[in-house]
Amino acid sequence: GDSVTQMEGPVTLSEEAFLTINCTYTATGYPSLFWYVQYPGEGLQLLLKATKADDKGSNKGFEATYRKETTSFHLEKGSVQVSDSAVYFCALSDVSGGYQKVTFGTGTKLQVIP
Amino acid sequence: DTEVTQTPKHLVMGMTNKKSLKCEQHMGHRAMYWYKQKAKKPPELMFVYSYEKLSINESVPSRFSPECPNSSLLNLHLHALQPEDSALYLCASSQAGGSSYEQYFGPGTRLTVT
Repeated sequence: GDSVTQMEGPVTLSEEAFLTINCTYTATGYPSLFWYVQYPGEGLQLLLKATKADDKGSNKGFEATYRKETTSFHLEKGSVQVSDSAVYFCALSDVSGGYQKVTFGTGTKLQVIP
Repeated sequence: DTEVTQTPKHLVMGMTNKKSLKCEQHMGHRAMYWYKQKAKKPPELMFVYSYEKLSINESVPSRFSPECPNSSLLNLHLHALQPEDSALYLCASSQAGGSSYEQYFGPGTRLTVT
């Protein structure tokens, strides 16, 4: 079955540092890939997505590129802010039996300190 | 309007109580989802409704009973729950029928079973 593996957290960075959160996946079909972010006490919000190989998703300074050859979708940001502190989930979406099914990674907690 | 609303925000119930969680969206989405999220874990899919029909039930115990009265509303009826059912219950919605559609999440209902 489908699976998503992302790096263990927590990740602690100083403000303005470079961020990378690694994500790799296993899928039998041709999935779409997503990064969702969850702030404390809230639901998940879509951060960015890519729907086919070599697509780059980007939003709010975050980027991730769909790499089919390495089955990866690593999240990067050039300069993090305190407000980026949250839990980040890598996810893949595939159609199973005619219905969309999303598989989430375990989540990586990011803490940015001033 | 890209909002998914959930009520109540918090719920405390005894093991003999019956209660319901409510979810609503007005984005015209025809797929709606219930997830359960334990602390420091990713969301786990419970149910999927597609065009108001139950499409996926991920082997959820019968003490959880979903209902989709119309295309905008999703309910989760709770009866005779166990303390281990305490969690954040998230509702989500998306366009139906493809893997590239992102899911929009509500803020969740924090459930405590005593």
